Amino acid sequence: NAGVTQTPKFQVLKTGQSMTLQCAQDMNHNSMYWYRQDPGMGLRLIYYSASEGTTDKGEVPNGYNVSRLNKREFSLRLESAAPSQTSVYFCASSALPGQGKVSYTFGSGTRLTVV
Amino acid sequence: SQQGEEDPQALSIQEGENATMNCSYKTSINNLQWYRQNSGRGLVHLILIRSNEREKHSGRLRVTLDTSKKSSSLLITASRAADTASYFCATELSGYSTLTFGKGTMLLVSP
Repeated sequence: NAGVTQTPKFQVLKTGQSMTLQCAQDMNHNSMYWYRQDPGMGLRLIYYSASEGTTDKGEVPNGYNVSRLNKREFSLRLESAAPSQTSVYFCASSALPGQGKVSYTFGSGTRLTVV
Repeated sequence: SQQGEEDPQALSIQEGENATMNCSYKTSINNLQWYRQNSGRGLVHLILIRSNEREKHSGRLRVTLDTSKKSSSLLITASRAADTASYFCATELSGYSTLTFGKGTMLLVSP
């Protein structure tokens, strides 16, 4: 099925461990995004990549790094996990924003717990 | 900080009733979008309304946008139990290429 695929779906980390969340889309979208969702906070943008070869910080980038590996793949890395990074992480993709009519396609999420 | 704020935070209705959710935002937008999230799942795009539009329909969904009041409403007519989900508004701000989401409205539709 066409869409956005995230791996893993669940992960438990110990404080200080590192990990990479993977995201791939097969819709030939130019732009990709990483959000985190916390109870009562809605979704907050961590990083995004408007097009292949570019990445930019969002609202809450501290503690994260990203790599736009190619047009299909956009990974999120936690170098030294902290309990405050316990959250559900969503990857999304879209066509290049323009003319005010672009919507996002979301993956099913990665539920991360840092103990 | 949140750009969009949904109201109410939670809404409980009976099947067949209409559900109305509101969204307010703070700055100029290119468009406003509504998404649905079923428990434990990703968000699904429902409808997009551009800043120069006032009303859009899609099936049982009706969205209005009032840019003078910086507000939008989502109406779901003849609700079904399957409509039970969280609903989020998201705004694409003028001059930006990313979406900013509100905190959502939890809708419970009882049979």
